[in-house]
Amino acid sequence: GAVVSQHPSWVICKSGTSVKIECRSLDFQATTMFWYRQFPKQSLMLMATSNEGSKATYEQGVEKDKFLINHASLTLSTLTVTSAHPEDSSFYICSARGSGGSREAFFGQGTRLTVV
Amino acid sequence: GQQLNQSPQSMFIQEGEDVSMNCTSSSIFNTWLWYKQDPGEGPVLLIALYKAGELTSNGRLTAQFGITRKDSFLNISASIPSDVGIYFCSSGNTGKLIFGQGTTLQVKP
Repeated sequence: GAVVSQHPSWVICKSGTSVKIECRSLDFQATTMFWYRQFPKQSLMLMATSNEGSKATYEQGVEKDKFLINHASLTLSTLTVTSAHPEDSSFYICSARGSGGSREAFFGQGTRLTVV
Repeated sequence: GQQLNQSPQSMFIQEGEDVSMNCTSSSIFNTWLWYKQDPGEGPVLLIALYKAGELTSNGRLTAQFGITRKDSFLNISASIPSDVGIYFCSSGNTGKLIFGQGTTLQVKP
């Protein structure tokens, strides 16, 4: 159990376009989902926390108008990188935490975004 | 802000050796999680700890939640080549989880 599926696993886009990344919890209801960004050989940097049905909470320094997060259902959260630039190229990973006071979080496979 | 200090940053060991890594924080947490990440993949949960002093094993892996609630360690016994990867500690309370800097483990056959 506790499977989180992230899609796509990789994407290449042109500068100025927008890219949507999906994160789905396949076998549990995720009341909270987290979005991380990871640079090569570095740790995971939390971008934002989203709770189902409410606005996401962004970490300091993360532009909420650039990284749009939607958590419309208990099994799906999306991250949209708007007007992408080459410096947005990175590995984006989501994780999901279930309901009932669960303190464990399970990760998707990650999405490699390359902006050219 | 809250930070987790993970050490060592990297380890290069011989197959069969035991490995130990740890995380410390200046903050008190009620959860410690240990993850392993392979290149190009998302982290996979190895062990979850919920109580101060708790010692939990998962196969050759053993982790402990420090009594002060500010630290945790992960031990890997009798390492094998497939243990190669980056290990992250993670901690938090009721909200977000934060991560240590990671320990890169390389195992020489």
